[in-house]
Amino acid sequence: LAKTTQPISMDSYEGQEVNITCSHNNIATNDYITWYQQFPSQGPRFIIQGYKTKVTNEVASLFIPADRKSSTLSLPRVSLSDTAVYYCLVGEGGTASKLTFGTGTRLQVTL
Amino acid sequence: EAGVVQSPRYKIIEKKQPVAFWCNPISGHNTLYWYRQNLGQGPELLIRYENEEAVDDSQLPKDRFSAERLKGVDSTLKIQPAELGDSAVYLCASSLPRPGLGHNEQFFGPGTRLTVL
Repeated sequence: LAKTTQPISMDSYEGQEVNITCSHNNIATNDYITWYQQFPSQGPRFIIQGYKTKVTNEVASLFIPADRKSSTLSLPRVSLSDTAVYYCLVGEGGTASKLTFGTGTRLQVTL
Repeated sequence: EAGVVQSPRYKIIEKKQPVAFWCNPISGHNTLYWYRQNLGQGPELLIRYENEEAVDDSQLPKDRFSAERLKGVDSTLKIQPAELGDSAVYLCASSLPRPGLGHNEQFFGPGTRLTVL
């Protein structure tokens, strides 16, 4: 399983764009990159998943460079409700893949 | 549509006592996962079921932990006897097979917070 490294914490003001970068230097050819969000007292929630280049959905964008050794989760115009822990996970796709959560990045959004 | 349901939400027991957690996955989700999350850490997979079969229990401490999913729907995770170090949040998640590539999106329940005194 590819190991991921991400900042322990980040701070932002409301309305700003937040970019959280995850390093995964030993990512394998078949590995996908998935991000989850977790609020206090709740289970993690899927945000976005990608393999290469750029993926965008209604809540975030995921940028993956050509070498795929890192990825950046971009949250546009964050609000106080985006305060949460964000996990970057890397592994093969499919049901058999084992998702390994690290310690995540704790994002604190303030006014 | 109802999400993953877990009960109880909170449980306080004394060490050496048994405890059980229950999970009802989203209807139609054949894959069910149990995770343990320690304070300040990410979830750690304990066991994964495909229908009623445990296909990955390599991280389950089998001396005291057991799990079952008899009819391939809801599941129970048991600890007997509990130890102080078992205090954590126990999360259940479920997923559907995803055609094609990529991880199957996992839907998590709210978890059961266990405190062992």
